[in-house]
Amino acid sequence: QVQLQESGPGLVKPSETLSLTCTVSGGSVSSGSNYWSWIRQPPGKGLEWIGYIYYSGSTNYNPSLKSRVTISVDTSKNQFSLRLSSVTAADTAVYYCASLQFEYSSGWGWFDPWGQGTLVTVSS
Amino acid sequence: QSVLTQPPSVSAAPGQKVTISCSGSSSNIGNNYVSWYQHLPGTAPKLLIYDNNKRPSGIPDRFSGSKSGTSATLGITGLQTGDEADYYCGTWDSSLGVVFGGGTKLTVL
Repeated sequence: QVQLQESGPGLVKPSETLSLTCTVSGGSVSSGSNYWSWIRQPPGKGLEWIGYIYYSGSTNYNPSLKSRVTISVDTSKNQFSLRLSSVTAADTAVYYCASLQFEYSSGWGWFDPWGQGTLVTVSS
Repeated sequence: QSVLTQPPSVSAAPGQKVTISCSGSSSNIGNNYVSWYQHLPGTAPKLLIYDNNKRPSGIPDRFSGSKSGTSATLGITGLQTGDEADYYCGTWDSSLGVVFGGGTKLTVL
């Protein structure tokens, strides 16, 4: 059974770059039907999709974050990563990594499983 | 403001039934499958329903999903105290990508 675990700094200074890594166990990031995703939840708010990546390197980002986001994949380490630049307090959130199970017949899918999440606070 | 609209909260007594609505538009729910997630704070969100009405292995049939037009509904029967959680709907939007509802907090009285 695939499991995901986020890791990275819990505190980032304003204007700097947030960097997180998701380690995949029990499965391979090179799996053909999975798109590896980042989702966040600001305190007291709902879920916000950040973006996803396919093992080939193909990406899709939330238009509202696209200019600041980079998602990459390292198949040798079975990991994928998130970089969010020029962060502000509004980027304070619990960040989740998740597997998007893509269904080619519908052009969409569902998120399963998810990691436990990691809180990132943006503060000086 | 979330693209998909959910009621902020719902409540019902143990053993009763509750429904949670998720309202969208033709650019999202109207033309794409909906999934539902259960989230207990501090834990990983869990997939409950995918493709509008399908349950993953291990999800009891007390949980059901439906879709009509630009709205979707999650139903939970035989409510248990362990069902107290936040519930989110999600789908694809033709302009915005993946979108979620604002979440609904379920209280089992």
